[in-house]
Amino acid sequence: GAVVSQHPSWVICKSGTSVKIECRSLDFQATTMFWYRQFPKQSLMLMATSNEGSKATYEQGVEKDKFLINHASLTLSTLTVTSAHPEDSSFYICSARVWVRGTDNYEQYFGPGTRLTVT
Amino acid sequence: KQEVTQIPAALSVPEGENLVLNCSFTDSAIYNLQWFRQDPGKGLTSLLLIQSSQREQTSGRLNASLDKSSGRSTLYIAASQPGDSATYLCAGNQAGTALIFGKGTTLSVSS
Repeated sequence: GAVVSQHPSWVICKSGTSVKIECRSLDFQATTMFWYRQFPKQSLMLMATSNEGSKATYEQGVEKDKFLINHASLTLSTLTVTSAHPEDSSFYICSARVWVRGTDNYEQYFGPGTRLTVT
Repeated sequence: KQEVTQIPAALSVPEGENLVLNCSFTDSAIYNLQWFRQDPGKGLTSLLLIQSSQREQTSGRLNASLDKSSGRSTLYIAASQPGDSATYLCAGNQAGTALIFGKGTTLSVSS
């Protein structure tokens, strides 16, 4: 099956600094990746859709200048949390979309997540 | 925009019971419906995916069904075990869009 990795798996940073999270598709190419955020005891909330070679599409209420997404290659998307604050502490999960061969359908495969703690 | 609702929010059962988790969605033009398991502090484990042309999927003790006309999906767990304790998330999407998640059902199976 398709494997998606994330790095780092956890990170602690100080308030005001920036942190970058990488999402990689290991054995396939992904033209589209998605970024989700999950607060404690909450569900996953879609933050943005990342398309290779173009600007990301952000969901309503997500600050695009704070959460910078770059999808520069078919196997890598990055999420940079700029000027992080404690309220940005969350579990960030990426997902890659894979077309199901022979159909007009696709599946999403999820990375293991990155836990960000801002102190 | 698609909205996904799961009930109950939490469920406690003794080991061995059969149980049903419910998921409803607002837009019947759902394309894929997927059930996930999430253990505390961990990522997602995909359980079952029902694609647009399908009505149900089975894997071991798990069976998921999809009724687009009523906007509902159910996850049936047979002969529950303590190891089934986790949060179960339902997610659906329309063609070309990302999966939208419900808030989940937290299951506790006691031995």
